[in-house]
Amino acid sequence: SQTIHQWPATLVQPVGSPLSLECTVEGTSNPNLYWYRQAAGRGLQLLFYSVGIGQISSEVPQNLSASRPQDRQFILSSKKLLLSDSGFYLCAWGTFSSYNEQFFGPGTRLTVL
Amino acid sequence: QQQVKQSPQSLIVQKGGIPIINCAYENTAFDYFPWYQQFPGKGPALLIAIRPDVSEKKEGRFTISFNKSAKQFSLHIMDSQPGDSATYFCAAPSEGTGSARQLTFGSGTQLTVLP
Repeated sequence: SQTIHQWPATLVQPVGSPLSLECTVEGTSNPNLYWYRQAAGRGLQLLFYSVGIGQISSEVPQNLSASRPQDRQFILSSKKLLLSDSGFYLCAWGTFSSYNEQFFGPGTRLTVL
Repeated sequence: QQQVKQSPQSLIVQKGGIPIINCAYENTAFDYFPWYQQFPGKGPALLIAIRPDVSEKKEGRFTISFNKSAKQFSLHIMDSQPGDSATYFCAAPSEGTGSARQLTFGSGTQLTVLP
């Protein structure tokens, strides 16, 4: 069966510091991968998605970037965090099929102080 | 660009009640409409999904009703329990670039089931 991991689970960082969040998927190959951000009490905002190694599409211009160095690894980064980067970051994987089923990881709670 | 409008924003029902959450979408790239359930501090979990060659799908106490002509779909929770208290998100498909399939999510409904 497929599983998706995210780490760290929680992170508190000062403004201006760098960021690296990691997501890995097990039990599937060549998945579509997604990064979402969820502000407190709000919906899900798609940040980046990837259909393959090194292929990244950005949905929202911002202070963040994403990379996919391996088939089942997806990384969200920032060089300098802003207060507005605080939120709950979710990674998801999906299959390239007729239907877009997406399955979410446990999330990373990021607080920028 | 897909837009998904979800209502109500919050809902409180008594145990055994039947909460109904509604979603409306603007267009479809393909037919697949999922609902997700999210507990505080956790990632959303796929709850139930409908592929609208049918107008209704039932899994346990959860039912999706779909009205393709009206571009609306809804989630019904039969015999609701306090353990159903969570935030529910609907989603509708949208076509991304580079062959990636995407979902556009509704804004979420916070459901509270009172004991």
